Amino acid sequence: TQLLEQSPQFLSIQEGENLTVYCNSSSVFSSLQWYRQEPGEGPVLLVTVVTGGEVKKLKRLTFQFGDARKDSSLHITAAQPGDTGLYLCAGAANAGGTSYGKLTFGQGTILTVHP
Amino acid sequence: NAGVTQTPKFQVLKTGQSMTLQCAQDMNHEYMSWYRQDPGMGLRLIHYSVGAGITDQGEVPNGYNVSRSTTEDFPLRLLSAAPSQTSVYFCASSYRGPPVRRSYEQYFGPGTRLTVT
Repeated sequence: TQLLEQSPQFLSIQEGENLTVYCNSSSVFSSLQWYRQEPGEGPVLLVTVVTGGEVKKLKRLTFQFGDARKDSSLHITAAQPGDTGLYLCAGAANAGGTSYGKLTFGQGTILTVHP
Repeated sequence: NAGVTQTPKFQVLKTGQSMTLQCAQDMNHEYMSWYRQDPGMGLRLIHYSVGAGITDQGEVPNGYNVSRSTTEDFPLRLLSAAPSQTSVYFCASSYRGPPVRRSYEQYFGPGTRLTVT
């Protein structure tokens, strides 16, 4: 069974601060995804990283996939109250041919950004 | 374009009752999955399907059945509800992506909040 350890579980910061969320595993993933979830709604995909060492930027959010494809980080610069929510990382199992890449989710990080 | 739809939004069951959670997608995705979300545990895969007529178990399949007769629909059946099945259930559809960039990105429905008393 593949495990993804996500940290921290809770993060409460002031508007304008920077933060980083980590996802770590001993397993190799074919891709790693980050989702954001609002209360009462389903998770929404933010980004997918596939190549080891890949860095993707989405406005103030920077996502990185580790060189060995076992870990990932999400960095938010100058956080805003609108960034508040649950952030989930998910790794897709190595899959070939017609195999399904099962997703393993981290436990999630609840981010609260205070005005 | 509705994406992934789930019904009902809320449900309360008594222990031992059965019910079916409905899920439909209109994106022609090959893959569909059911997850449950419990506090502090992220999302756990219950069952998934790689196409019509093909299903397989995920991490926590006990007490649940699925079938997939069409590409669009993937219902989840609770055979005999137990309090441990109180949770929020999400259905998702996904695709593999191109061969050089397999991603399996998930598109989630709005969820069904189930309480078993």
